[in-house]
Amino acid sequence: ELKVEQNPLFLSMQEGKNYTIYCNYSTTSDRLYWYRQDPGKSLESLFVLLSNGAVKQEGRLMASLDTKARLSTLHITAAVHDLSATYFCAVEDSNYQLIWGAGTKLIIKP
Amino acid sequence: EAGVTQFPSHSVIEKGQTVTLRCDPISGHDNLYWYRRVMGKEIKFLLHFVKESKQDESGMPNNRFLAERTGGTYSTLKVQPAELEDSGVYFCASSQERTSGSSTDTQYFGPGTRLTVL
Repeated sequence: ELKVEQNPLFLSMQEGKNYTIYCNYSTTSDRLYWYRQDPGKSLESLFVLLSNGAVKQEGRLMASLDTKARLSTLHITAAVHDLSATYFCAVEDSNYQLIWGAGTKLIIKP
Repeated sequence: EAGVTQFPSHSVIEKGQTVTLRCDPISGHDNLYWYRRVMGKEIKFLLHFVKESKQDESGMPNNRFLAERTGGTYSTLKVQPAELEDSGVYFCASSQERTSGSSTDTQYFGPGTRLTVL
């Protein structure tokens, strides 16, 4: 059974700092997603990572995937307040279901 | 282009009552998914439609939950009778036809329906 662990679950940081959110999963998968959710809003797709070594960047966010280590990271560079949200990783299992991490609530203080 | 919409945004009902949630996917998306997040827990898969057919309903918690997608457009999720543990946020997502090695079948989510069973 595929399990997904995300950490930290809560992160409070100052603007301008860098930090990384980690997503570990237990069995082989071909796809990993990162989503962002603002309070009361939809889950917004940020990145989909399809292969080992995949790296994608959008603004101050960069996601990478190491399928051998079963690890994905979401790196935040020089954080700004607008990035405050809850971030989820989700891994696709063999039945195309998304198995979700618990989410990381990120608060960025001015 | 309109995104995934869900109705209602909130629903408060009493135990034993019936509630029907609706999801309108992005036009042209054959795949439609339902997920649920119970307070303090992870988001969990409920079921997956491909057009009007149930592709996978292994996540449905019990037979009090009934999902339909007549005509392959919008979908409904009915809970009858509702129990306290059914409270949570119900998300719907849709995606295009799956293509191997492509990311075009990313799932796009609606805002969710927050269900409270008292």
